[in-house]
Amino acid sequence: DGGITQSPKYLFRKEGQNVTLSCEQNLNHDAMYWYRQDPGQGLRLIYYSQIVNDFQKGDIAEGYSVSREKKESFPLTVTSAQKNPTAFYLCASSITSTLRDRELFFGEGSRLTVL
Amino acid sequence: DAKTTQPNSMESNEEEPVHLPCNHSTISGTDYIHWYRQLPSQGPEYVIHGLTSNVNNRMASLAIAEDRKSSTLILHRATLRDAAVYYCILRSYNQGGKLIFGQGTELSVKP
Repeated sequence: DGGITQSPKYLFRKEGQNVTLSCEQNLNHDAMYWYRQDPGQGLRLIYYSQIVNDFQKGDIAEGYSVSREKKESFPLTVTSAQKNPTAFYLCASSITSTLRDRELFFGEGSRLTVL
Repeated sequence: DAKTTQPNSMESNEEEPVHLPCNHSTISGTDYIHWYRQLPSQGPEYVIHGLTSNVNNRMASLAIAEDRKSSTLILHRATLRDAAVYYCILRSYNQGGKLIFGQGTELSVKP
């Protein structure tokens, strides 16, 4: 079945460590997105990519990095520079269409806890 | 970024219709109106979207005001499984098609 797979589902990290969250999609979507969600809050955009080898900062990119070397993969690295990394991280993808607007498909999320 | 305003919470009875309002007074002509819903500890799920005309699908209906400054998501017969946080979002292709989420409306459904 087609979809978006995020891993790991749960992750614990010590302060000062970098950690990479995986996001893979087999939907053949061009655009991919990373969001962060804190308890009781809406989603905030970290980074997005509309095409391979290109990505743009979202509203809260500081302390994060991404790469888009393959169409199906958009990993997110949470660096030690991110001051409050404990959060629920969501990856999404979408077709890019010039004909009509299309919906976003979300993964199940990765919950990161910094000890 | 164009912003949406929704009530923090709403209650409904099972098998009754639910009307979830959303204000977006700063919407631009190229912004699409999207609705997603989210259960605890899960990724958001697409519900419906539209530009100017009212839209229907198997999950819900979307009624868009003529001036596009507001919209209403309609669940025709609420079930217990419809209890979730509903997000009304504007999607602008002037900004890479990204979705900017607000706080959403938490819908509770009573049996």
